[in-house]
Amino acid sequence: RKEVEQDPGPFNVPEGATVAFNCTYSNSASQSFFWYRQDCRKEPKLLMSVYSSGNEDGRFTAQLNRASQYISLLIRDSKLSDSATYLCVVNLASGGSYIPTFGRGTSLIVHP
Amino acid sequence: DTEVTQTPKHLVMGMTNKKSLKCEQHMGHRAMYWYKQKAKKPPELMFVYSYEKLSINESVPSRFSPECPNSSLLNLHLHALQPEDSALYLCASSQVEGSYEQYFGPGTRLTVT
Repeated sequence: RKEVEQDPGPFNVPEGATVAFNCTYSNSASQSFFWYRQDCRKEPKLLMSVYSSGNEDGRFTAQLNRASQYISLLIRDSKLSDSATYLCVVNLASGGSYIPTFGRGTSLIVHP
Repeated sequence: DTEVTQTPKHLVMGMTNKKSLKCEQHMGHRAMYWYKQKAKKPPELMFVYSYEKLSINESVPSRFSPECPNSSLLNLHLHALQPEDSALYLCASSQVEGSYEQYFGPGTRLTVT
């Protein structure tokens, strides 16, 4: 079982749609959770950190469910420019350290 | 300013060459990271430096040798690489190790011939 799992998609949605991604993690002692966006042949760019209380930034909402060990990202009113790969990152507890571990990424395609 | 810079952008090297990748940040971050990313795969952690000391080595082959000369610079020395080492090499930094978000450089696209 992978330590951080994401549905690779692709999620193919029309402009204006609402889309949600989940990411599950294996170690309940993990801390610090993030969503990154990566465009083709570019570096990952931080989209948002994920806090226990949930957080929102414009059209994007991130939530953490520690009991079920998953984080989620909701995108409302999708734009063409939202097309990208969305990577979740979990700092997994491992032998006294926290190892930043990426999910495999979820591909989003927003079409006109 | 959340900029991490990396040089070179592209590198082609033979299996007997020695080359180095460079990374720099001026955000005062005390943790720096090297990742390797193959096409259509997520970044894989290679090394973590915390306060200029090697903190994590994810069982990386010795043909990759990291170096942190000071708190702003991170190098990755390459020697006797294999064609399967061809990938995008990403550098990142964070305020400290473990808790904070990372900021990535644009990467070096490495081809080993």
